[in-house]
Amino acid sequence: EIVMTQSPATLSVSPGERATLSCRASQSVSSNLAWYQQKPGQPPRLLIYGASTRATGVPARFSGSGSGTEFTLTISSLQSEDFAVYYCQQYKNWPPNTFGQGTKLEIK
Amino acid sequence: EVQLVESGGGFVQPEGSLRLSCEASGFTFSDYEMNWVRQAPGKGLEWLSYISSIGSTIYYADSVKGRFTVSRDNAKNSMSLQMNSLRAEDTAVYYCAKGGRSTQLQPFDYWGQGTLVTVSS
Repeated sequence: EIVMTQSPATLSVSPGERATLSCRASQSVSSNLAWYQQKPGQPPRLLIYGASTRATGVPARFSGSGSGTEFTLTISSLQSEDFAVYYCQQYKNWPPNTFGQGTKLEIK
Repeated sequence: EVQLVESGGGFVQPEGSLRLSCEASGFTFSDYEMNWVRQAPGKGLEWLSYISSIGSTIYYADSVKGRFTVSRDNAKNSMSLQMNSLRAEDTAVYYCAKGGRSTQLQPFDYWGQGTLVTVSS
């Protein structure tokens, strides 16, 4: 089983600033890595797939990078609607399909 | 517009059973793999089950193997999750999620709103 580890667990950032979230896989997943955003009471929303491709309708301030075992989600200038929980997911080698434990992005 | 609507959640006693459904629209359901994912209160996402487009391949997480059974009816654009021998730790919001088209190398691009299952005596 591929274990996905996200850091930090909580990130406090001011609106307008940049946020950088990390995700590490226990073994290579190539570029088969997705990022999801989840707001309270809502289902997850796909943001990034293929490690760096934005899903339909996702603003350009969201960008993904990395390959192999180290990945980053960057939000260039935080808007109020970006404060949420973010999950990474590997879909290279499954079952089981695995998610990281999440990073809560909160307002500083 | 892709829509996934889960139903069937509710309150059940330990060792009880429940059947969840996921109704799909806005895409050719029979072409796509589908999944169930759950989220316990205040916790992260846990993948539970996968079913291929024609139902010929099925996978389960170890946590539900032998207790949960996934199925689909492509004629009715629907997927089901039969949950037996429920435990308190199965309490969660259950989501259906759309997978790839004849490939597992795809993320889950659409999710339903979820249905809450509460297991308690």
